[in-house]
Amino acid sequence: AQKVTQAQTEISVVEKEDVTLDCVYETRDTTYYLFWYKQPPSGELVFLIRRNSFDEQNEISGRYSWNFQKSTSSFNFTITASQVVDSAVYFCALVNSGGGADGLTFGKGTHLIIQP
Amino acid sequence: DVKVTQSSRYLVKRTGEKVFLECVQDMDHENMFWYRQDPGLGLRLIYFSYDVKMKEKGDIPEGYSVSREKKERFSLILESASTNQTSMYLCASSFGGMTLNSPLHFGNGTRLTVT
Repeated sequence: AQKVTQAQTEISVVEKEDVTLDCVYETRDTTYYLFWYKQPPSGELVFLIRRNSFDEQNEISGRYSWNFQKSTSSFNFTITASQVVDSAVYFCALVNSGGGADGLTFGKGTHLIIQP
Repeated sequence: DVKVTQSSRYLVKRTGEKVFLECVQDMDHENMFWYRQDPGLGLRLIYFSYDVKMKEKGDIPEGYSVSREKKERFSLILESASTNQTSMYLCASSFGGMTLNSPLHFGNGTRLTVT
């Protein structure tokens, strides 16, 4: 069975601080995909990034960056110079190569609060 | 842009009622999903469909059924609503059939209250 752990239930920081959201996963597959989604207060989850298990390059998109490390089974998400608009619940997800409903697992989410 | 539309944003129903939650997507996606979201429990998959008339149970299918008669529409049915089904329900869709490695596109949710 696979598992995604987001140990931080809630994080609160002051605007302009950097913040890292942790995601640790477990899977027996060698081929898998990792995702991050953002759920703002409006409720609609929005896709942020997908990584496959063969691509360990870090990704940067503006103030967002992702650090994928297979050695520690982690796919952490960092927001640099946070803004109030970053306040949301962030979900990490894992998809294995087998497909089907069993192959898709979400973490429980991290509620990020950016205080002005 | 992919649009996933859920028919109601808020719904209040009585215990024992039959409830239909509708979801429509406009991007010809093969896969459609129903999740429920509860505080502290994250997203839990109720049902998944990878093609018309095809469905697969998720983690918590009990008390629910689904219908997919057309590719763009996926309905969640609560046969006899109970108070423990009060929750936020999220519909999603994606490309790709049984492989789920495409990003999910979500609707903005239906908050169902059963009294």
